[in-house]
Amino acid sequence: GAGVSQSPRYKVAKRGQDVALRCDPISGHVSLFWYQQALGQGPEFLTYFQNEAQLDKSGLPSDRFFAERPEGSVSTLKIQRTQQEDSAVYLCASSLGPILSGGVVDTQYFGPGTRLTVL
Amino acid sequence: QKEVEQNSGPLSVPEGAIASLNCTYSDRGSQSFFWYRQYSGKSPELIMSIYSNGDKEDGRFTAQLNKASQYVSLLIRDSQPSDSATYLCAVNGRNNFNKFYFGSGTKLNVKP
Repeated sequence: GAGVSQSPRYKVAKRGQDVALRCDPISGHVSLFWYQQALGQGPEFLTYFQNEAQLDKSGLPSDRFFAERPEGSVSTLKIQRTQQEDSAVYLCASSLGPILSGGVVDTQYFGPGTRLTVL
Repeated sequence: QKEVEQNSGPLSVPEGAIASLNCTYSDRGSQSFFWYRQYSGKSPELIMSIYSNGDKEDGRFTAQLNKASQYVSLLIRDSQPSDSATYLCAVNGRNNFNKFYFGSGTKLNVKP
């Protein structure tokens, strides 16, 4: 079946512009995650949704970052007034179930990412 | 101290050899552990998940978990040039199970 898709794949923004990044998770997946990956680093957690509820946004680096998933499927990550330090690959991942008790969690499947370059 | 530590490498092994990748984590309460492979310019793809102490084998890959030592490893047998990639270790947090911490990855080069 179809995997996680993200659009656009590449985005160039001038400093100060607002951008919106879209994620289409695997159909039926309850959990959705956003990550930021800088060059040469591992992904850094940004936020987590269970259906339409944003249960954890502790990784969002500033109040310029905002994410939503209004109908529990497609999600959008919005960055306002972009800065050069926002340049990175933004990865979306989804997993089938909610977070289970005892800390056991489902595998996350990643989309291809959006490479954001802020000039 | 970072939540997940990996040697950045590069780790170079000849084709057909065993590659051993290591990861340590700081949160003793973590319960879910994953190895992902990431080719340059691509997104991470799952190699293995492991939840219990001991070994878990899948084809040429074996994941090893030792919670007492807070250590996870990945062995790749009969390494192939196509295994050349960055390998990421991921661990979930104890108080925040949905929050995943990734290491910075180990770059593996398999030489023909």
